[in-house]
Amino acid sequence: ETGVTQTPRHLVMGMTNKKSLKCEQHLGHNAMYWYKQSAKKPLELMFVYSLEERVENNSVPSRFSPECPNSSHLFLHLHTLQPEDSALYLCASSQDEFGGANVLTFGAGSRLTVL
Amino acid sequence: KNQVEQSPQSLIILEGKNCTLQCNYTVSPFSNLRWYKQDTGRGPVSLTIMTFSENTKSNGRYTATLDADTKQSSLHITASQLSDSASYICVVSRDTNFGNEKLTFGTGTRLTIIP
Repeated sequence: ETGVTQTPRHLVMGMTNKKSLKCEQHLGHNAMYWYKQSAKKPLELMFVYSLEERVENNSVPSRFSPECPNSSHLFLHLHTLQPEDSALYLCASSQDEFGGANVLTFGAGSRLTVL
Repeated sequence: KNQVEQSPQSLIILEGKNCTLQCNYTVSPFSNLRWYKQDTGRGPVSLTIMTFSENTKSNGRYTATLDADTKQSSLHITASQLSDSASYICVVSRDTNFGNEKLTFGTGTRLTIIP
């Protein structure tokens, strides 16, 4: 385990469902991230939280809603998704969001399939 | 446009052989370059991070090189093992005017080691 835990590891949902992805980090990091990884595409940054405050939202559709209740937990709430949203969703954390050479520690990911 | 291109897209080699993966980038202003290893069904794990002044950096059987003039990096794997089968992702960081850093990801090279 890397210190970043994601649940569930696999999720299948219909387009009308509402579900949530959870991420927890045990590293004492101040920044947390959601990334989307689709086949044969680079990782896409979705959201960045620094000290529980959202600092970046990369033009992500509103059907994805992040929540960061404290510095150790990050959620991604999903509703009325589309089949093209099927992907691996990766959570990551780093010591700080600012400054150079921050190494990201990734979780194992949540494999999402939208039917 | 800030881009990271990796080659080859995929590579199959015999166990025990050496191989070299390539990364070319156009990211500017350059801050650092990272190589990540991503096993199937797992999140990426950092192998090495190189700043502008570093030409070579080793991590066990992995050796990364950086030529900041030609904007190229390579990852050399020596005496490959079956556990080296994974995707290798090159990530280039640039500093922004806001004091944080932006990461540009490559699409990765899928390496398969066969016995």
